[in-house]
Amino acid sequence: QQQVKQSPQSLIVQKGGISIINCAYENTAFDYFPWYQQFPGKGPALLIAIRPDVSEKKEGRFTISFNKSAKQFSLHIMDSQPGDSATYFCAASKGNTGKLIFGQGTTLQVKP
Amino acid sequence: GAGVSQSPSNKVTEKGKDVELRCDPISGHTALYWYRQSLGQGLEFLIYFQGNSAPDKSGLPSDRFSAERTGGSVSTLTIQRTQQEDSAVYLCASSTGHANTGELFFGEGSRLTVL
Repeated sequence: QQQVKQSPQSLIVQKGGISIINCAYENTAFDYFPWYQQFPGKGPALLIAIRPDVSEKKEGRFTISFNKSAKQFSLHIMDSQPGDSATYFCAASKGNTGKLIFGQGTTLQVKP
Repeated sequence: GAGVSQSPSNKVTEKGKDVELRCDPISGHTALYWYRQSLGQGLEFLIYFQGNSAPDKSGLPSDRFSAERTGGSVSTLTIQRTQQEDSAVYLCASSTGHANTGELFFGEGSRLTVL
């Protein structure tokens, strides 16, 4: 059973635009929500993460918005650049194993 | 090297053959994870090691899949009697194992093609 649902599957944005990727989860025991970025031929790498005690976290052009009551969180990429073109995965985990449950991924293309 | 190392990077095998995939985690990382990424799909959890023990094997798709970790370091994922649906990129990740930071460090993966 898929526990983290991600949308859209693919996204095309013009340079300078805002990219928005959404995720929804089912398990209220999840207590850690990271986003990973993956370039072709590489492994995913941590981009930004949030815990449910805050509603927003910003790091540079990347922002996570978290809605605990709706069990949803999203990634916003401001001033999107062609170098941001990659696949983005949301994830969730609970407890102290570090085991992550990933969404299906979003392929982002930023056009120059 | 400083990162997670996986080998082979590419493996082509015939249906029915056994394959072994190796993962060398970051030195000092006690937690190790195997994930599978199929074309256009997300990352599917397979197994988690803490030290040499595997408290969570819930993602292994069948008894053809097994994994071990020795010396708290290198791990091997073995797939017996490979099937075409086993074709995927197998990703290994490691972490410090400290309470739920969520940061996994991934290798570049082993791409398995079963003909």
